[in-house]
Amino acid sequence: DVKVTQSSRYLVKRTGEKVFLECVQDMDHENMFWYRQDPGLGLRLIYFSYDVKMKEKGDIPEGYSVSREKKERFSLILESASTNQTSMYLCASTLENQPQHFGDGTRLSIL
Amino acid sequence: RKEVEQDPGPFNVPEGATVAFNCTYSNSASQSFFWYRQDCRKEPKLLMSVYSSGNEDGRFTAQLNRASQYISLLIRDSKLSDSATYLCVGGTSGTYKYIFGTGTRLKVLA
Repeated sequence: DVKVTQSSRYLVKRTGEKVFLECVQDMDHENMFWYRQDPGLGLRLIYFSYDVKMKEKGDIPEGYSVSREKKERFSLILESASTNQTSMYLCASTLENQPQHFGDGTRLSIL
Repeated sequence: RKEVEQDPGPFNVPEGATVAFNCTYSNSASQSFFWYRQDCRKEPKLLMSVYSSGNEDGRFTAQLNRASQYISLLIRDSKLSDSATYLCVGGTSGTYKYIFGTGTRLKVLA
């Protein structure tokens, strides 16, 4: 079974802090994704990566950056956290045209 | 118009009922389709892929209609444990993008 592990289930941070969310997958997948999910808005793609050191902006990249130094690890960075970034963050990995596998999610609250 | 649209529901059905959800997509280049199940405050979990010829997995049947650009999910003999939100997803080859619908909420009632 594919295992996608996110570093934290729940996280509380303060406005202006730099926040790191980590994601690790164990299936040697090329493609990794970061989404946020908010009520009524569904999953929205923040960034994705199709190879080490490669990244592409998704639909809502503003206020975020990513890092992929190793194939199995994809990090999401909130450069200066704001209250409107309070959300559920989901990491996923996949091979092309295959279904995505999600981590447990991180519920992030920015106070 | 959203690329992938679903009726948000909720669909309230009694145990044992058959229920069907549709999901329409606007991008005719979409190649891959999937149904996910998401429980409250949990991550989406793959329910089944959707193949052009239609496919079945136990009580669940998925269909793809490319001419009308929709996919469907049929659940037979509903169980209380089927209560969840069902997300449909379309993927376009070569773009690495998967477009999620906002989900259809199902409540199976005793």
